[in-house]
Amino acid sequence: GAVVSQHPSWVICKSGTSVKIECRSLDFQATTMFWYRQFPKQSLMLMATSNEGSKATYEQGVEKDKFLINHASLTLSTLTVTSAHPEDSSFYICSARETGGGEKLFFGSGTQLSVL
Amino acid sequence: QKEVEQDPGPLSVPEGAIVSLNCTYSNSAFQYFMWYRQYSRKGPELLMYTYSSGNKEDGRFTAQVDKSSKYISLFIRDSQPSDSATYLCAMKTSGKSTFGDGTTLTVKP
Repeated sequence: GAVVSQHPSWVICKSGTSVKIECRSLDFQATTMFWYRQFPKQSLMLMATSNEGSKATYEQGVEKDKFLINHASLTLSTLTVTSAHPEDSSFYICSARETGGGEKLFFGSGTQLSVL
Repeated sequence: QKEVEQDPGPLSVPEGAIVSLNCTYSNSAFQYFMWYRQYSRKGPELLMYTYSSGNKEDGRFTAQVDKSSKYISLFIRDSQPSDSATYLCAMKTSGKSTFGDGTTLTVKP
C-alpha cells in the first residue's frame, strides 16, 4: 500500500517555542492531506484539510494562526504549532489521499508532542 | 448524537476466537466504509475499504455493511495476539471521513 512518512515521531519542546511536523507521501502524489489530533483513548479529531497550492481549511474551533499548515508540493504538507503551550501536548497524525486514487486514506505514523 | 457510534469495548478474547466489531451510523449519505487498525502511538492502518452493502473478505478479515440498517461490522477469524490493537471504523461521503471512537481489542495467548 501507499506509504506516508511523518517526522518527527516525537518531540519535546519548551513552552513558547514553535514546532514543525512534516508529512510526506513517499510513493504517490497527494493533492489533499489531513491533519488530526488524538488524545489518549479517543478517536481522531480532524483539525484541518490541506490542499496543495491553496490555503488550508480549518475545522471549527481550530486556531489557524496557532496551527499553521503549508502544502507547497504534491508530496509534502507541514503543520507548525506556533508558540506551543502545555495544552498543545498531544498526538498529531497526518493522512493523505492519493490524487485520482479514490477515497482511501493513508496515515502517517504520528507525532507525539510534549510541551514543557 | 454522534454521526458514528462504535461499540466502546474494551474487548478481550482468547487466541483463535472470532471477533466481531461493530459501528452504527445516522447519516444515510455515507457512501464509503472503512476499518482501520491502530497500534499504540502509531498512525491508523487501513484494513478494509468498501462502498456497497454486503460482505467483503480479505484473509482473516471480513467487513460487512448493511446500509438499510446503517450498520457495519468487522469480523476477525482465528484471532492472534498480534491483532491486539484499537480498531476504528470510518465513513465518508465525498468529503472528509468521520471516525468512530475505536474499540480496543486484546487477544490473549
